[in-house]
Amino acid sequence: DVKVTQSSRYLVKRTGEKVFLECVQDMDHENMFWYRQDPGLGLRLIYFSYDVKMKEKGDIPEGYSVSREKKERFSLILESASTNQTSMYLCASARWGSGANVLTFGAGSRLTVL
Amino acid sequence: RKEVEQDPGPFNVPEGATVAFNCTYSNSASQSFFWYRQDCRKEPKLLMSVYSSGNEDGRFTAQLNRASQYISLLIRDSKLSDSATYLCVVNQIKAAGNKLTFGGGTRVLVKP
Repeated sequence: DVKVTQSSRYLVKRTGEKVFLECVQDMDHENMFWYRQDPGLGLRLIYFSYDVKMKEKGDIPEGYSVSREKKERFSLILESASTNQTSMYLCASARWGSGANVLTFGAGSRLTVL
Repeated sequence: RKEVEQDPGPFNVPEGATVAFNCTYSNSASQSFFWYRQDCRKEPKLLMSVYSSGNEDGRFTAQLNRASQYISLLIRDSKLSDSATYLCVVNQIKAAGNKLTFGGGTRVLVKP
């Protein structure tokens, strides 16, 4: 089974801090994604990456950046955390192809910004 | 208008009953469609892909209506374990890769 591992399940940070959320997948998938999930708003795509060093903005990239230096690792960075970034962050990976278009998610990282 | 919209529910369903709900999408260029299931405090997991001709997986049936731009999910003989949030996912193939957009989810509560 594909495993997507997010380094931190729960984080508490202060406004203005820099926050790194790490995501690692072990199945050599080209595509990786960062979503945030908020009550009433569902999952919203922040950034995605289809290859090493490639990144594309999703629907809500403001206040975030990403890094994909290695195929297996996709990091989400909050340069200066704000209270409206308190959320559940979900990383996912996928390989596209016939019968293989499946997103596999990590367990999530719940971030609280005080 | 949101790209992918779902009735948030909750749909309160007696055990053994049938429940169905839809998901509408705004971009006619959308190319593939999925239903994911998310249990409380867990990550989403793929339930089934949705094919143009409609497809069935046990008690679950998914349909796609491209003309009206919606997909549907029907659950027959509901079990207590079917209680979850069902997320509709729409894939658009962009130059930069596949962009998957989620609906807000439909919550289903199956009761004895």
